[in-house]
Amino acid sequence: DAKTTQPTSMDCAEGRAANLPCNHSTISGNEYVYWYRQIHSQGPQYIIHGLKNNETNEMASLIITEDRKSSTLILPHATLRDTAVYYCIARPIGGSQGNLIFGKGTKLSVKP
Amino acid sequence: GAGVSQSPSNKVTEKGKDVELRCDPISGHTALYWYRQSLGQGLEFLIYFQGNSAPDKSGLPSDRFSAERTGGSVSTLTIQRTQQEDSAVYLCASSPGTANYGYTFGSGTRLTVV
Repeated sequence: DAKTTQPTSMDCAEGRAANLPCNHSTISGNEYVYWYRQIHSQGPQYIIHGLKNNETNEMASLIITEDRKSSTLILPHATLRDTAVYYCIARPIGGSQGNLIFGKGTKLSVKP
Repeated sequence: GAGVSQSPSNKVTEKGKDVELRCDPISGHTALYWYRQSLGQGLEFLIYFQGNSAPDKSGLPSDRFSAERTGGSVSTLTIQRTQQEDSAVYLCASSPGTANYGYTFGSGTRLTVV
């Protein structure tokens, strides 16, 4: 699996966009980029995933560089409830490797 | 049910005893996963079930750990002869198929071995 590198922690002001970077320079062609988050004392929650095109859903946007070596998760208007640990994972879509390996993630603190 | 249900939510057991943790996945989800998370640590993959295929047990830390999934639905994680280092939150997730997106996690079972 491609190793992902994320900052340990980030702060963001409430109402501003939170941009969470992830490096995955060794990503292979069949590996997608997945983002999950874990709010304190809860199980992780799926956010978004993508292969090479930018993706957007009701929760966030995912911007993947053209060379696929890095990506950014964007929460357009962060709220206090977005405070959580955000995990970036590079992994094949499934099949025989249908399980996610979680790293340390980025602890995002949204401040009033 | 609407989500993944785990029971019990909390379990305190004495060192050396066996424990069983239960996971009820979302109806129709063919894939089921067990993870554990020690205090302040990341998630550690334990085992993965997909349909009728043989489970991927590569994450089980020792032979004291086992899991089964009956009828492709409910799963039970069993820890025999519990040790203090087994204390953690045990999380179960399910997903519709083999894809790695769309996992739905339960709230976990907090296991404390005293």
